[in-house]
Amino acid sequence: DTEVTQTPKHLVMGMTNKKSLKCEQHMGHRAMYWYKQKAKKPPELMFVYSYEKLSINESVPSRFSPECPNSSLLNLHLHALQPEDSALYLCASSQVRTTGRTGGYTFGSGTRLTVV
Amino acid sequence: GDSVTQMEGPVTLSEEAFLTINCTYTATGYPSLFWYVQYPGEGLQLLLKATKADDKGSNKGFEATYRKETTSFHLEKGSVQVSDSAVYFCALRAGGTSYGKLTFGQGTILTVHP
Repeated sequence: DTEVTQTPKHLVMGMTNKKSLKCEQHMGHRAMYWYKQKAKKPPELMFVYSYEKLSINESVPSRFSPECPNSSLLNLHLHALQPEDSALYLCASSQVRTTGRTGGYTFGSGTRLTVV
Repeated sequence: GDSVTQMEGPVTLSEEAFLTINCTYTATGYPSLFWYVQYPGEGLQLLLKATKADDKGSNKGFEATYRKETTSFHLEKGSVQVSDSAVYFCALRAGGTSYGKLTFGQGTILTVHP
């Protein structure tokens, strides 16, 4: 299995809703990431987990709450979002320790989130 | 801080034309360099990578060489196809790290006409 699977693919939520995005990989990668991508822009890093512990938070608002329950799963809990949070949310994974022949990041297809 | 600069787009080519997308970077140490491709409605796919100076990454007819002297990692393909139409991102990971933040360029939209 060489994929990162994200669910749902599309999500529409109101500003008072609570929802969660899910990400799963079975490549044995111990680093997992959440990125946010606005239309026609590059992805922006939100969070990095290493060995199931949060190692990087890029000053993301608290209405986004990440969770890494085990080495294969990564969640992003959403609460009280704003319309400007509408974007494509990408999950990625990578090995933590790499050699010269490794070190790539595998991205999922993303969840397209619309906040109404 | 680290940064990546890609050539301004969009780029429009005819099928079988030669492609070059320029990418230069600013980073301390020896970063790892990547090219990612994003097809419409999809996530990012790793196209190729290079982890040290003079390394050449290649995949699906695309090539890029890590040039430390010019801090560049230009993407080339000798003969593009309609199916290569996508957005291409150059990215780096800071030297001395084996995982962590990818810094992306702004992306270049490539359209190939039959």
